[in-house]
Amino acid sequence: QTVVTQEPSFSVSPGGTVTLTCGWRSGSVATNYYPSWYQQTPGQAPRTLIYNTNVRSSGVPDRFSGSILGNKAALTITGAQTDDESVYYCVLYTGSGIWVFGGGTKLTVL
Amino acid sequence: EVYLEESGGGLVQPGGSLRLSCAASGFTFSSYWIHWVRQAPGKGLVWVSRINSDGSSTSYADSVKGRFTISRDNAKNTLYLQMNSLRAEDTAVYYCGRGRDWGFDYWGQGTLVTVSS
Repeated sequence: QTVVTQEPSFSVSPGGTVTLTCGWRSGSVATNYYPSWYQQTPGQAPRTLIYNTNVRSSGVPDRFSGSILGNKAALTITGAQTDDESVYYCVLYTGSGIWVFGGGTKLTVL
Repeated sequence: EVYLEESGGGLVQPGGSLRLSCAASGFTFSSYWIHWVRQAPGKGLVWVSRINSDGSSTSYADSVKGRFTISRDNAKNTLYLQMNSLRAEDTAVYYCGRGRDWGFDYWGQGTLVTVSS
């Protein structure tokens, strides 16, 4: 069973805004889980977007932002572009030196 | 420029062993935690292991604990993953990732490990 939950798929129109979420099966996600977000296209290595909840990685445009929304971590993409079509993964630090990835959200832009 | 390059992947029989390497450049290797993350064909990313900056502390996913050993040589700017008792379910692309604020910032391009008879 997946302990870190993500929407399996999401769709957004070009120019639109989408918020992907990252939940923890056992409870709420807070900043002490240090949520981070990664983008991956087929055949490529992951690309880091956000770490430590809301810190953008070097070179990542500011239309990508991270936050805590309610009891989940969230990645918001504003002004979606066609090349944002990717799989997005979150990862949580669960303590005791263990990190857990979510199953990924496949984002379609059309 | 930060650069990570994995090597050592290949075809190995079930029960066999393999050692992966991750060569780093462009940053002070000895100052960073480094992780291994893997991705089975057509599947998602899975965290495997992590080592702290001086190699004194390590941690592992339950699925590899007791079979895999992470280590590093800071003099050679290289990370290793010794994989023993390999199983078919260990088949994956293995990535090394630089740790940053309890996440990861830079990644290598990955090396494919195939466990099959």
